[in-house]
Amino acid sequence: GQNIDQPTEMTATEGAIVQINCTYQTSGFNGLFWYQQHAGEAPTFLSYNVLDGLEEKGRFSSFLSRSKGYSYLLLKELQMKDSASYLCAVRDGDYKLSFGAGTTVTVRA
Amino acid sequence: ETGVTQTPRHLVMGMTNKKSLKCEQHLGHNAMYWYKQSAKKPLELMFVYSLEERVENNSVPSRFSPECPNSSHLFLHLHTLQPEDSALYLCASSPGLAEDNEQFFGPGTRLTVL
Repeated sequence: GQNIDQPTEMTATEGAIVQINCTYQTSGFNGLFWYQQHAGEAPTFLSYNVLDGLEEKGRFSSFLSRSKGYSYLLLKELQMKDSASYLCAVRDGDYKLSFGAGTTVTVRA
Repeated sequence: ETGVTQTPRHLVMGMTNKKSLKCEQHLGHNAMYWYKQSAKKPLELMFVYSLEERVENNSVPSRFSPECPNSSHLFLHLHTLQPEDSALYLCASSPGLAEDNEQFFGPGTRLTVL
């Protein structure tokens, strides 16, 4: 089976930086996705990494190391609206996504 | 709005009822998916359709029956469910099945089985 691990919860202060780690052990690898999910809402796409390195999109960045089976999502200049669950997902075959259980981030004033 | 809508948003049903969940995507995508999201657990892929053909049936019990009449609509027919089937059911779509195609999710149907 697939094994994707990420911390259950993280708390940070408004304006700070938070890094959400994701480690994976999968039978194949065709890319890693990060999604954001606010309570009661649909998951929305944040980033996609297929090659090693850092992808930056505004306040959010995602890093991938395929040799280590490791990724992180970096959230900078945290805002209250960033309080949400962040899902790490690995495409391990043609189209199937295997998800982690999600990391709930709480931003405090 | 992600371009994927789901109805109903909330559903409470008894174990002997028959109900259906509906998903519609307005994005012109060719692939559609059903996921189950239980509390504190990872999303579980249930079914995948590509161009209205089922390409994945992930060992889902037969009390869940999908239907894809066209590339814009996806249904999940439910009958004789169990309380452990209570969860959030998410529909998603993507342009195709290619590796870098992100999936666009609907808001989900919160299902409670009594």
